[in-house]
Amino acid sequence: GENVEQHPSTLSVQEGDSAVIKCTYSDSASNYFPWYKQELGKRPQLIIDIRSNVGEKKDQRIAVTLNKTAKHFSLHITETQPEDSAVYFCADTGRGSNYKLTFGKGTLLTVNP
Amino acid sequence: DADVTQTPRNRITKTGKRIMLECSQTKGHDRMYWYRQDPGLGLRLIYYSFDVKDINKGEISDGYSVSRQAQAKFSLSLESAIPNQTALYFCATSDPGHGGGNIQYFGAGTRLSVL
Repeated sequence: GENVEQHPSTLSVQEGDSAVIKCTYSDSASNYFPWYKQELGKRPQLIIDIRSNVGEKKDQRIAVTLNKTAKHFSLHITETQPEDSAVYFCADTGRGSNYKLTFGKGTLLTVNP
Repeated sequence: DADVTQTPRNRITKTGKRIMLECSQTKGHDRMYWYRQDPGLGLRLIYYSFDVKDINKGEISDGYSVSRQAQAKFSLSLESAIPNQTALYFCATSDPGHGGGNIQYFGAGTRLSVL
């Protein structure tokens, strides 16, 4: 089955620094790559996504890049703030057109004031 | 998202008991999912349903069953609960929408403890 590897599992940065989380996927047919943020005690929520026909997408301080040749995609957060502290999950759709998601194991990001 | 409601929010049960977790949605989505979250393991798919007559196993369906009573309702059952089913359970819905993709909307979760 589809496999999504996510690194690092934990990441600690100082407020104002940048944070990068990377994911690799195994199925070359994957064509949709979302990122979810889960704050402590809350539900996961979509923060940004990218489709396979695009190499980069930005939304204010967050951006996602996709390298289809290498089969990896990354989440970039600039000018981090304490409220960015959360668990972040990447996901992809894998083979087929049903868009069932396979999630990575998550990255706990801590932004220190 | 208040449009996806899970009940109960917390449940403590004993080994061997049958329990049901319920999920209802007002988003009008055809697709519904049940996930399990364990620390360090991410979100793992238990079952999913793309419409009322369509039920599919996910990656960890053993020990679980589901029922799609209506478009808006999708229930998860543990026929005989065991301690390693202690976890946080999420229901989610989605609508493929335009151009593909699969944005999923999660309920608030049910924290289950099996003693």
